[in-house]
Amino acid sequence: DTAVSQTPKYLVTQMGNDKSIKCEQNLGHDTMYWYKQDSKKFLKIMFSYNNKELIINETVPNRFSPKSPDKAHLNLHINSLELGDSAVYFCASSQGSGVYGYTFGSGTRLTVV
Amino acid sequence: GESVGLHLPTLSVQEGDNSIINCAYSNSASDYFIWYKQESGKGPQFIIDIRSNMDKRQGQRVTVLLNKTVKHLSLQIAATQPGDSAVYFCADRDQAGTALIFGKGTTLSVSS
Repeated sequence: DTAVSQTPKYLVTQMGNDKSIKCEQNLGHDTMYWYKQDSKKFLKIMFSYNNKELIINETVPNRFSPKSPDKAHLNLHINSLELGDSAVYFCASSQGSGVYGYTFGSGTRLTVV
Repeated sequence: GESVGLHLPTLSVQEGDNSIINCAYSNSASDYFIWYKQESGKGPQFIIDIRSNMDKRQGQRVTVLLNKTVKHLSLQIAATQPGDSAVYFCADRDQAGTALIFGKGTTLSVSS
């Protein structure tokens, strides 16, 4: 039973489209995150979210928006996709606000053509 | 600003050797560090962590050393195996304590 699952695993889409990536965790964690990994493997925080607070990395374009229907889910919606959005996106979760070890999902490879 | 980085982007070793992966950090207030392993096509996996009140912590075949004086930590892997081939990241908490900040990663290649 996968602890943090993301769908889809691969996503190929055209510039200008709107797409969503889903994330679910069954660990009972109360904080979830989205990270972007570029072609050089650099992992960059995009959002952290618990049921009280959304924290947005100021460098993230407002075309990106996290949506959390409940504590176990944090989806990532992207509007007007651009070529530079191509990357691997990882969802992660942790317990509490202390930010100790995360559990990551297996990633979604987004390719914008 | 804060940053967590690794000294070398790649490291190649022979099976059975010991591997040492290094990481430098800039935030002297950092109090918690983690090492992650990322295999090809997978998400990062937790390996070992260390708090700033410790100098050393050991796990199964792995040891993390923390030198707060020079703001440096290292991951030592004993008797490296082909299955250890992966990208290794160090990470610490951002200043607000709301997320982990990752270094750039070292790709470890193990040849048999």
